[in-house]
Amino acid sequence: AQKITQTQPGMFVQEKEAVTLDCTYDTSDPSYGLFWYKQPSSGEMIFLIYQGSYDQQNATEGRYSLNFQKARKSANLVISASQLGDSAMYFCAMSNGGSQGNLIFGKGTKLSVKP
Amino acid sequence: SQTIHQWPATLVQPVGSPLSLECTVEGTSNPNLYWYRQAAGRGLQLLFYSVGIGQISSEVPQNLSASRPQDRQFILSSKKLLLSDSGFYLCAWSVDGRYDYGYTFGSGTRLTVV
Repeated sequence: AQKITQTQPGMFVQEKEAVTLDCTYDTSDPSYGLFWYKQPSSGEMIFLIYQGSYDQQNATEGRYSLNFQKARKSANLVISASQLGDSAMYFCAMSNGGSQGNLIFGKGTKLSVKP
Repeated sequence: SQTIHQWPATLVQPVGSPLSLECTVEGTSNPNLYWYRQAAGRGLQLLFYSVGIGQISSEVPQNLSASRPQDRQFILSSKKLLLSDSGFYLCAWSVDGRYDYGYTFGSGTRLTVV
């Protein structure tokens, strides 16, 4: 069965510093996708970044990058130059490769950025 | 551009009352549609998904049901709410056959059953 694990319930980072949020996954499907979403206190889920299982390069989107280590089944999110507005819950998710594209989510990490 | 609308934003319902949450998508056709629930401080749990009109798949046995009467409309219902139905409900859509596009979520409905 597929599984996403986020072992950090909460993280603190100083403004302008970089932070890494951990995510490990388990799947037997050779084709899958990995996602990170941000959920601010308002509750909306905001898509941040995507990594395909066959992608050779680590995905980057502005200040977000995904450190994809396939052999270790990890997909950590790196946020560079943290801003106060980055304070939120962050969820790692995986799609199962089927046409339905169903996403399963980890339990999330609450990131707090200190001024 | 594609947009997704979900309402109401908040809802307080007594135990045993019915529920109807509605989600509509604009700007796309034949989307895959999803209902997720998020308990307080927890991750998202997939409740239902639909790949077409009238096609509903349930992921978790519960007293909730879903319907898709139109291509871009997805409804979550219950005949009698339980206290355990409280949570944050999110509707989402994705492009059919393109799991790599991820999901676009609605703004959510915060349901409190009292």
